[in-house]
Amino acid sequence: TQLLEQSPQFLSIQEGENLTVYCNSSSVFSSLQWYRQEPGEGPVLLVTVVTGGEVKKLKRLTFQFGDARKDSSLHITAAQPGDTGLYLCAGGRPARQLTFGSGTQLTVLP
Amino acid sequence: NAGVTQTPKFQVLKTGQSMTLQCAQDMNHNSMYWYRQDPGMGLRLIYYSASEGTTDKGEVPNGYNVSRLNKREFSLRLESAAPSQTSVYFCASSGGSGQPQHFGDGTRLSIL
Repeated sequence: TQLLEQSPQFLSIQEGENLTVYCNSSSVFSSLQWYRQEPGEGPVLLVTVVTGGEVKKLKRLTFQFGDARKDSSLHITAAQPGDTGLYLCAGGRPARQLTFGSGTQLTVLP
Repeated sequence: NAGVTQTPKFQVLKTGQSMTLQCAQDMNHNSMYWYRQDPGMGLRLIYYSASEGTTDKGEVPNGYNVSRLNKREFSLRLESAAPSQTSVYFCASSGGSGQPQHFGDGTRLSIL
């Protein structure tokens, strides 16, 4: 059982559609990071959220940290083919290493 | 800017062979990590080094050893490769525990 569950595991949508992916846990995290990984490359950090209820925007991407700091969501508006990739969340806890979720594989079709 | 550099990028081994995966970072980071990535299982931590001179086991350390050669370099060794170790291996570095990690582009390892 994964400490961080991501859903959906796979998502295929048309260009211009909106989507939300989720990262859920029964544990409380001090921070939550989102990464995007493209084929043949390593994950690249998109954002870090640290406060319960925090919302951060990165162009068409909106990240939210749950009030209880157990879950997070990533919303993409008007998805583009360049958004295609594996989206990974990672939770940080004091004196522990990051825990990664299993990821959401997003495909945006032109 | 090199960031985190991993070598080799690809490798095919026979069962029982040994090899060392190399990783170097140029960001003066204290902490370095080795992960393996398998379909549907995300990134699983093999070993990490919180600072130069220290190493600790992660979630899946069996069959692996590591060496933190200096602040820049962190190597992963497979002493006797097994087919179950076929995976993509990523090295990462960060300023410290829980801080954002910077990843290399991975080593794709196949064991026959």
